[in-house]
Amino acid sequence: AQSVTQPDIHITVSEGASLELRCNYSYGATPYLFWYVQSPGQGLQLLLKYFSGDTLVQGIKGFEAEFKRSQSSFNLRKPSVHWSDAAEYFCAVGPSSNTGKLIFGQGTTLQVKP
Amino acid sequence: DAGVIQSPRHEVTEMGQEVTLRCKPISGHNSLFWYRQTMMRGLELLIYFNNNVPIDDSGMPEDRFSAKMPNASFSTLKIQPSEPRDSAVYFCASSYNSNQPQHFGDGTRLSIL
Repeated sequence: AQSVTQPDIHITVSEGASLELRCNYSYGATPYLFWYVQSPGQGLQLLLKYFSGDTLVQGIKGFEAEFKRSQSSFNLRKPSVHWSDAAEYFCAVGPSSNTGKLIFGQGTTLQVKP
Repeated sequence: DAGVIQSPRHEVTEMGQEVTLRCKPISGHNSLFWYRQTMMRGLELLIYFNNNVPIDDSGMPEDRFSAKMPNASFSTLKIQPSEPRDSAVYFCASSYNSNQPQHFGDGTRLSIL
C-alpha cells in the first residue's frame, strides 16, 4: 500500500541552525514527491516537487530536498532556519498514473527558537 | 493570479443544520480536490474531480456528505445534517492536470455546536 511517513512529529531548532525534516515513502513505482508548508490559519503552500531527473531539487524560501530511491526517502533541508520558517511541513507522494491523488504524511511541526 | 478561493472562511452552526462549503479553483485547472484536516486524523482526501467528473469519492465519510462540480469554476461540499464530529478545517485544492502540483485554498474552519 502507498504510504508516507514523517518520523518526527515535532522539531525545535535554533534560528540560524540547519534543518532536516525526514520523509519516507512506500510506493511501487517511481513516485512524484512534494513538500508543502502550512502556516497557522492558512492552506498548504508548495515548497518543491520531484518528478524526475536531478535528485536534488531546489524550492522556494531556500529549501531543498533530495530524492534517494535506495532509501525511499525525500528529506527536506535548509542550511539556515529563520524564525518565519516556524510552521507545519507535509511530505506527499503522488501516483505515476493519471489520477492526481496525493498521499500526505502526518506532518512535522517546526518550532524555531530565537 | 488569483489562487483557489474558498468561502466562507469560518462557519459556526448548530448540529442538524445544512452546511455548504464553496470553492473556486484556479482558472484553467481541470482537477479539483476536497480535503478535511483534523488534529486526530491529519489531512484526508474526501473526493476529487477531473474535468468536473467525480473520480474518487472513497474518502467521503458517509452519506451526509456530498460534493458537486457543476462547471469548471465552481464546486460545493455539502453536509446535511451536520454533526459535531464534522468540525474540522476543509480545504479545496486544484491542479492543472493530475500530474501537476496541487494548489490549496486557505480553507474553511467549520465548527458544529
